[in-house]
Amino acid sequence: ELKVEQNPLFLSMQEGKNYTIYCNYSTTSDRLYWYRQDPGKSLESLFVLLSNGAVKQEGRLMASLDTKARLSTLHITAAVHDLSATYFCAVGNAGNNRKLIWGLGTSLAVNP
Amino acid sequence: DGGITQSPKYLFRKEGQNVTLSCEQNLNHDAMYWYRQDPGQGLRLIYYSQIVNDFQKGDIAEGYSVSREKKESFPLTVTSAQKNPTAFYLCASSKGQRKNEKLFFGSGTQLSVL
Repeated sequence: ELKVEQNPLFLSMQEGKNYTIYCNYSTTSDRLYWYRQDPGKSLESLFVLLSNGAVKQEGRLMASLDTKARLSTLHITAAVHDLSATYFCAVGNAGNNRKLIWGLGTSLAVNP
Repeated sequence: DGGITQSPKYLFRKEGQNVTLSCEQNLNHDAMYWYRQDPGQGLRLIYYSQIVNDFQKGDIAEGYSVSREKKESFPLTVTSAQKNPTAFYLCASSKGQRKNEKLFFGSGTQLSVL
């Protein structure tokens, strides 16, 4: 059974600092997604990672995938307040194209 | 603008009542999904549909029902058999079945029990 673990679940950081959110998964997968959710709002797609060594960057966020370690990271560079949100990773079940297994989310607060 | 519209934004259910959550998309997407989100938890899949007139159960389908009579619409009914319906419900869609396709989400419906 595919399980997805994110850590930390809560993260409070100062503006200007760097930090990394981790997403581990338990069995083989062929795709991994990162999403952002603002409180009480919808989810917004950030990145789709498909292959080992994949790296994608958008602004202050960079995501990477290591399929051998079954690990993805979301790195935040020089955090700003606007990045405060909950970040979810979701992993595709290799045996079923339609099902994603979601992590619990990392609630990020960036303080001035 | 293309997108997914969920309504209502807030919904209250009385004991023993069925309620229906609406989800409409104008993205011309083939696949649609319903997820449930509880506080502090990840999303859990209720039902999904890959084409019109076809749908499959997700991980927590008990107490829910869906229909897919039109490509644009995928309503979710929360039946009285769902004993713990209070949650945030999110509808999503995707263009097709390729693994690089991301999900587009609606703004959600918060369902509470009176």
